[in-house]
Amino acid sequence: KAGVTQTPRYLIKTRGQQVTLSCSPISGHRSVSWYQQTPGQGLQFLFEYFSETQRNKGNFPGRFSGRQFSNSRSEMNVSTLELGDSALYLCASSLQGAGGNTIYFGEGSWLTVV
Amino acid sequence: QQQVKQSPQSLIVQKGGISIINCAYENTAFDYFPWYQQFPGKGPALLIAIRPDVSEKKEGRFTISFNKSAKQFSLHIMDSQPGDSATYFCAASMTSGTYKYIFGTGTRLKVLA
Repeated sequence: KAGVTQTPRYLIKTRGQQVTLSCSPISGHRSVSWYQQTPGQGLQFLFEYFSETQRNKGNFPGRFSGRQFSNSRSEMNVSTLELGDSALYLCASSLQGAGGNTIYFGEGSWLTVV
Repeated sequence: QQQVKQSPQSLIVQKGGISIINCAYENTAFDYFPWYQQFPGKGPALLIAIRPDVSEKKEGRFTISFNKSAKQFSLHIMDSQPGDSATYFCAASMTSGTYKYIFGTGTRLKVLA
């Protein structure tokens, strides 16, 4: 069974640009969540989607947005990039969502903002 | 109340030794406590998880000890090996409706050969 696939793995963007990251969950998983990982802040929850509905959102500015498609694939978008957005963005999938259940991470998308 | 405090920040252990990482939480609504292992350049991978109805869970060389009254849980790695050198994260979540994990800040473990 294929794992969680994230694309692109590495990207470099300039301040002010926008970026879209993609995530394909494990087959059959309907929940996709996104986390930002930085050395200073650790793993921070961005948002979670289940059957195309956002069920929870973390404490991030509105520049961070996401969506989920009918095939459970998800994208997240960051607009007007700032230097502080440089991070590893991790997608995780699960059958029902993180509440009391295991979530499985992809290898992440490394974003560098210059 | 949403924090999970993890210690130590880094740990160096001799091969064959026991590695112990501790986590503490405040929110008694948390009812699922997984541990993740992350190697450089990789995403976190589930190692072992526990629910508060048991005090200990063992899988191979990895054991979680859970103290509900103290609101603490810990990961013990027995017979630590150089291949265990990685960053370990504890996490907590609640069954009712938040759909997210709260992660500890991570422990960088180095096992010396």
